[in-house]
Amino acid sequence: NAGVTQTPKFQVLKTGQSMTLQCAQDMNHNSMYWYRQDPGMGLRLIYYSASEGTTDKGEVPNGYNVSRLNKREFSLRLESAAPSQTSVYFCASSEGREGGGNTGELFFGEGSRLTVL
Amino acid sequence: GEDVEQSLFLSVREGDSSVINCTYTDSSSTYLYWYKQEPGAGLQLLTYIFSNMDMKQDQRLTVLLNKKDKHLSLRIADTQTGDSAIYFCAERAHSSASKIIFGSGTRLSIRP
Repeated sequence: NAGVTQTPKFQVLKTGQSMTLQCAQDMNHNSMYWYRQDPGMGLRLIYYSASEGTTDKGEVPNGYNVSRLNKREFSLRLESAAPSQTSVYFCASSEGREGGGNTGELFFGEGSRLTVL
Repeated sequence: GEDVEQSLFLSVREGDSSVINCTYTDSSSTYLYWYKQEPGAGLQLLTYIFSNMDMKQDQRLTVLLNKKDKHLSLRIADTQTGDSAIYFCAERAHSSASKIIFGSGTRLSIRP
């Protein structure tokens, strides 16, 4: 099983350009997430989708949009990239439902390194 | 809102015990987690503790939870060079069972 797959792995953008980060999971998970990782800041939640058809803002949603295309896929879009969005982006998924021994473990992709010049 | 804090760096001698500390704000958190990130990789779950437990042991790992002080710690016994990584504390937010908030991560380095 591939688990969580993110594309692209690397991207360089100019200020003002737009792009979409793609994420897909093959574990039939209900919940999906986008985090960004910056030195000294840890992982900060951008948006999450508790289940297909729903999305919610996390800690740092400004400048981003998301789409939960179906149960498998959750994309992150930067409409007008800014240098402050230079970061490593991680997609994750989890079972998401309470109970039944579900611990809420997150499964992460390998990350997408984005540089905005 | 939810917040998780941890120190940024820890250096220990090989063979000693490592203790990584974390404080959190959401007293209603159901689960608290420790994730490990090796260089160039995503995070992987190391261990977790349910909020009604005080301690959990798993081989070389011991997790201690002090709910009164909202303090979580991870002890790694007999630290090895392969334990070099960034360790993240995380909590499951009470406001949404699907929302997981991470700390800043503690970079553990091992000296000979």
